[in-house]
Amino acid sequence: DAGVIQSPRHEVTEMGQEVTLRCKPISGHDYLFWYRQTMMRGLELLIYFNNNVPIDDSGMPEDRFSAKMPNASFSTLKIQPSEPRDSAVYFCASSLVMGEKLFFGSGTQLSVL
Amino acid sequence: GESVGLHLPTLSVQEGDNSIINCAYSNSASDYFIWYKQESGKGPQFIIDIRSNMDKRQGQRVTVLLNKTVKHLSLQIAATQPGDSAVYFCAETGSNTGKLIFGQGTTLQVKP
Repeated sequence: DAGVIQSPRHEVTEMGQEVTLRCKPISGHDYLFWYRQTMMRGLELLIYFNNNVPIDDSGMPEDRFSAKMPNASFSTLKIQPSEPRDSAVYFCASSLVMGEKLFFGSGTQLSVL
Repeated sequence: GESVGLHLPTLSVQEGDNSIINCAYSNSASDYFIWYKQESGKGPQFIIDIRSNMDKRQGQRVTVLLNKTVKHLSLQIAATQPGDSAVYFCAETGSNTGKLIFGQGTTLQVKP
């Protein structure tokens, strides 16, 4: 397996624009997680899915953020409209078991100007 | 609330020496702990994990020690190499949420 695949690797956009981040989890993993990483706040869990169903979105900062998982092999994280304070590295991760051994993608470096 | 923290933000060691990275956790009911390594520009990479029914677990050049009495976790790296330079995160599974809670990270610098 190629591991967790995220795209794009880098995204530069202007404030107010819509941003969509994509993730393909490891095949067979029932759990998918979206994290955000910043210097100030470290790794923050935004939302996670189990069998394509959103379970806990308490970490999603605002209504501007939304996530979907239409099938077992694809998830998106959308920010609309984007703001400069959304600039961060966004990671997707997947796991077989809840709370154990997450496998992370390479992340998307988002810069909102 | 639950929290996981690291004692030292930066650790500098000489190549070939052993490294010890420490981590404190606050939830005595946590039953699973894990260490990740994150190199610049990459995602966190799994190193080793341990359950609360164990005190020690060894991998290749790495050992994780768990002291439940003082709620302390450590990662030992033997014969540290330049390729070990990275940020190391400890994480615990919150007993009532099942979610992994990450610490802030320790930067390991290996001097040649």
